Amino acid sequence: DIQMTQSPSFLSASVGDRVTITCRASQGIGDYLAWYQQKPGKVPKLLIYGASSLQSGVPSRFSGSGSGTDFSLAITSLQPEDVATYYCQNYNSAPFTFGPGTKVDIK
Amino acid sequence: QLLDSGGGLVQPGGSLRLSCAASGFAFSSYAMTWVRQAPGKGLEWVSTISGRGSDTYYAESVKGRFTISRDNSKTTLYLQMTSLRVEDTAVYYCVKAKVVGTPRASAAYWGQGTLVIVSS
Repeated sequence: DIQMTQSPSFLSASVGDRVTITCRASQGIGDYLAWYQQKPGKVPKLLIYGASSLQSGVPSRFSGSGSGTDFSLAITSLQPEDVATYYCQNYNSAPFTFGPGTKVDIK
Repeated sequence: QLLDSGGGLVQPGGSLRLSCAASGFAFSSYAMTWVRQAPGKGLEWVSTISGRGSDTYYAESVKGRFTISRDNSKTTLYLQMTSLRVEDTAVYYCVKAKVVGTPRASAAYWGQGTLVIVSS
């Protein structure tokens, strides 16, 4: 089975900072990688699919990159409303595992 | 729209059936998935079913105990849960695939979730 890891598990940054979260798959998954945002007490929301395609309605400050085993999610200018936990997910092959999550906070 | 229901309190070893009533899209064209989240924990993929219901996939943690199914005539997704354990306690989300025709798809739309508590 493919295992997904994320780093860091927690990050704190200032408003306006660029932040990057990385996700690694234990085997190659092509570009079958999605990123989700879950704000406290809310339902998860799809941000990025196909490793780099922005879901409709998602602000352009979010971007995804990578393929194979190494991926990243970047927020170019962190905003207060970006406080959330971010998860990556493999959907190349079952089990369609999620990463453990990265909690993002404002300094 | 996805309306999850069926959650509740159940004793260890008991059973429960979750339902997800879908509307507003061509239900039978999309794979559907259950994802769960234990209190204070991360997201865990549980099970996926293809649009026609012919293919099913399960996490190792639920294989043999949970059964995913769908009734396309009723546009409803189900998760039959048996031999429930304390560690199955979680909010269970019904999720629609982003693209038609394949289970290999990101999760585009999430229901509001239904809480399952397994406790004596």
